Amino acid sequence: DAGVIQSPRHEVTEMGQEVTLRCKPISGHDYLFWYRQTMMRGLELLIYFNNNVPIDDSGMPEDRFSAKMPNASFSTLKIQPSEPRDSAVYFCASSLVGRGPEGYTFGSGTRLTVV
Amino acid sequence: KQEVTQIPAALSVPEGENLVLNCSFTDSAIYNLQWFRQDPGKGLTSLLLIQSSQREQTSGRLNASLDKSSGRSTLYIAASQPGDSATYLCAVRQTSGTYKYIFGTGTRLKVLA
Repeated sequence: DAGVIQSPRHEVTEMGQEVTLRCKPISGHDYLFWYRQTMMRGLELLIYFNNNVPIDDSGMPEDRFSAKMPNASFSTLKIQPSEPRDSAVYFCASSLVGRGPEGYTFGSGTRLTVV
Repeated sequence: KQEVTQIPAALSVPEGENLVLNCSFTDSAIYNLQWFRQDPGKGLTSLLLIQSSQREQTSGRLNASLDKSSGRSTLYIAASQPGDSATYLCAVRQTSGTYKYIFGTGTRLKVLA
C-alpha cells in the first residue's frame, strides 16, 4: 500500500492565483480529512468527509477555501484567490473507522507558499 | 472550547534516558486521545490511542496514560534513542458523534547520541 498520496509536495504561487491541492486516500478507507499546519496555529482540521460526503467544514477559514471528494479515491482542496496568510503545510489523512488506532494515516503534506 | 496544551515545547535529553511528555486539555468530556509522532517534512504517525474509559496503553518502549478527570495525559518513553527524535503531538476527540480531533502544538524532542 502506497499510503496517502498528496500532490504537489511543494507549491509556490503568487497572491491572487488559484491553488489546487490533491489527495488520494488509502483504498478502502471511509474517512478523509484535510488539515493545515502553521507555526502559529499548529495543526487545524479544515474539513472531513465520510463516504465522499462532507461532514464538518467548520474549520474552513473562508469562502476562498473549498474541498471536494468526487469519488472514494480522490479529493481536492482549492484556494481561490490565494493570499500570503494561506502559506502553510496542508495535510490529507484517511481513516477506516474501527481499525485502531482508528487507522489514521497522514500523507506527507503539501507545503504551500503564497508570495 | 477545547484547548490542548503540551509542555515543554522542546526537550533535549541524552540517549538512554527515560522521559515524560505532557499533554493537558481543558474539557474532560473526551471520547479518546491519541499520541502522534511527526518527523521533519513528514506527516503524522499515530503511536497510541487511549479510549476515555482506559487509563493507559503500551506499545514497546512507549506508554501513554490518561487521567480524564484532571484533563491530563502523559507519554512515557523508556530508554530513549536518537531515532526517537521527532515532534510528538497529542490530540483529543470530543464525542462519539464527531470525528474531529483537536491537536496540541507538540513537543519537539531531541535525543543526543
